[in-house]
Amino acid sequence: SQQGEEDPQALSIQEGENATMNCSYKTSINNLQWYRQNSGRGLVHLILIRSNEREKHSGRLRVTLDTSKKSSSLLITASRAADTASYFCATDGDNDMRFGAGTRLTVKP
Amino acid sequence: EAEVAQSPRYKITEKSQAVAFWCDPISGHATLYWYRQILGQGPELLVQFQDESVVDDSQLPKDRFSAERLKGVDSTLKIQPAELGDSAMYLCASSHRGGGGYTFGSGTRLTVV
Repeated sequence: SQQGEEDPQALSIQEGENATMNCSYKTSINNLQWYRQNSGRGLVHLILIRSNEREKHSGRLRVTLDTSKKSSSLLITASRAADTASYFCATDGDNDMRFGAGTRLTVKP
Repeated sequence: EAEVAQSPRYKITEKSQAVAFWCDPISGHATLYWYRQILGQGPELLVQFQDESVVDDSQLPKDRFSAERLKGVDSTLKIQPAELGDSAMYLCASSHRGGGGYTFGSGTRLTVV
């Protein structure tokens, strides 16, 4: 069964704009991770944020975590056409990882 | 950069036939996972190994699916007999014993006809 739910399901923006994706989950977690998946390929790990962290940065990525609201957000700044992909949040609870259904991001050149 | 190897990349099989997928995790990664991803959905965990032992197979349809990791290194996932509803991407991932980010393979795209 899936744990996280991403919002929106699909997002279309112009190159150079920022993209924000949200994730909500239901149970307590050790950490939350974001992954990217290009069409027909495997998932690529982007960033991990631990339950005691509130914000984390990696290049053009910014992730926030609010454990009181059981939610996280992924911000991609200055988007590029190459950022077009599906983005998944995954919650790491008791020894396994549960993924949401993903947000399909399209960045138009 | 180290990768998780999976084969075959694509597989087409007739329903009621047997099919097997292979995964070779990153060297030193004790934990190995098999996920199934239906088109348009997120991956769902089928089975998790810690070394050669199954840690979680609660979502594995055991009447037709089996998985093994005999020497605690590479792993095989088998479906027998395959059904039309098994058509999906089968993803293998591995991680260090203490958790952290997973490294995924490119997956096996299964089509059952």
